[in-house]
Amino acid sequence: GAGVSQTPSNKVTEKGKYVELRCDPISGHTALYWYRQSLGQGPEFLIYFQGTGAADDSGLPNDRFFAVRPEGSVSTLKIQRTERGDSAVYLCASSSEVAGANVLTFGAGSRLTVL
Amino acid sequence: AQSVTQPDIHITVSEGASLELRCNYSYGATPYLFWYVQSPGQGLQLLLKYFSGDTLVQGIKGFEAEFKRSQSSFNLRKPSVHWSDAAEYFCAVGVPGTYKYIFGTGTRLKVLA
Repeated sequence: GAGVSQTPSNKVTEKGKYVELRCDPISGHTALYWYRQSLGQGPEFLIYFQGTGAADDSGLPNDRFFAVRPEGSVSTLKIQRTERGDSAVYLCASSSEVAGANVLTFGAGSRLTVL
Repeated sequence: AQSVTQPDIHITVSEGASLELRCNYSYGATPYLFWYVQSPGQGLQLLLKYFSGDTLVQGIKGFEAEFKRSQSSFNLRKPSVHWSDAAEYFCAVGVPGTYKYIFGTGTRLKVLA
């Protein structure tokens, strides 16, 4: 597509529920990132995919968080047993390589509120 | 470890005034440098980037930034601010040869009419 698409744009859930957040990157971008942005903070790295594999998941806060990208395009971030502290905006970005550097294009984000 | 500091959490300027947003980074070599802007409810939009070469880079919406190696800085400037520039601005560092990006905590810009 023309840009990075994220759904849902807003998700309100109750503590303990399971949530999935979807990211559809720019067509042809092999690299995909998930970031989390808490109120008043900059984006914090969660996970990076190169193709289908998670090349670096060191930013995932704990084992309740998991992400997949089975066909190397769309990615889903999955959060089990949600907690109030998981409330944040989850940003997805995909990248093309320009002059040897990755330039990130972000989606509008999925705002998660855990009650 | 790499880090990015944006020392100003909030900045308020009058419409038509000049603007400078500060960004300092910590990295052992010259990183890739970026400025992004985020309007309420929106994702981050790339304003400009520096990889190498001319240390003064031009971006979209009339913004420019200057890389100063001696000060480890990459400050964003605009000669005349418009009300539509009110947003949050993030500086980011990319580590060459890797996929890693580190973002600052952002500066929120308010523009007075």
